[in-house]
Amino acid sequence: NAGVTQTPKFRILKIGQSMTLQCTQDMNHNYMYWYRQDPGMGLKLIYYSVGAGITDKGEVPNGYNVSRSTTEDFPLRLELAAPSQTSVYFCASSKQGASYNEQFFGPGTRLTVL
Amino acid sequence: AQKITQTQPGMFVQEKEAVTLDCTYDTSDPSYGLFWYKQPSSGEMIFLIYQGSYDQQNATEGRYSLNFQKARKSANLVISASQLGDSAMYFCAMRETGAGSYQLTFGKGTKLSVIP
Repeated sequence: NAGVTQTPKFRILKIGQSMTLQCTQDMNHNYMYWYRQDPGMGLKLIYYSVGAGITDKGEVPNGYNVSRSTTEDFPLRLELAAPSQTSVYFCASSKQGASYNEQFFGPGTRLTVL
Repeated sequence: AQKITQTQPGMFVQEKEAVTLDCTYDTSDPSYGLFWYKQPSSGEMIFLIYQGSYDQQNATEGRYSLNFQKARKSANLVISASQLGDSAMYFCAMRETGAGSYQLTFGKGTKLSVIP
């Protein structure tokens, strides 16, 4: 199993541009999450999904959108990129019903908005 | 109030010595879980150990143990026999079952440096 994969690994955007961060998991997990990590800080939840077709906002959703059309994929869309969205983005997944719902993280996407 | 507080921005420990990383939490949910993750300089998040709020015994995983003091709302990570490869950021996180989403709330982390 590849686990959780994210693309791209690095990206530089200009202010106002848009992009989609891709996330795929092959563990058949129904729960998926997007976090952002600002320099020197812990992770903050942007959006999450408890299954295909179901998404909800986390702590810092402004400026982002998500969709979940399949169990495997959970893309994160940035519209009108701003410098405040410069961060490292982590996708994670977990299995409902697992003993402690450990979250498995992808390797992260480092995004810079200039 | 912060849900997860890690008061040590940075820690140093001599190789082969034990070190304790502090974590306090705040929740009114009677059912919750506490996690520790390691983030090396390469950036990935590595799960280390888990403690459930109803677990009677402290969790252990190899050289990692969790000193869980429920009444004090603390969940300190103890690393025994430190190794150079333990140098990394360490994050404490909490999952509140009442949230329904199993989302994690993270602390700001502690940077551990192991000295040869």
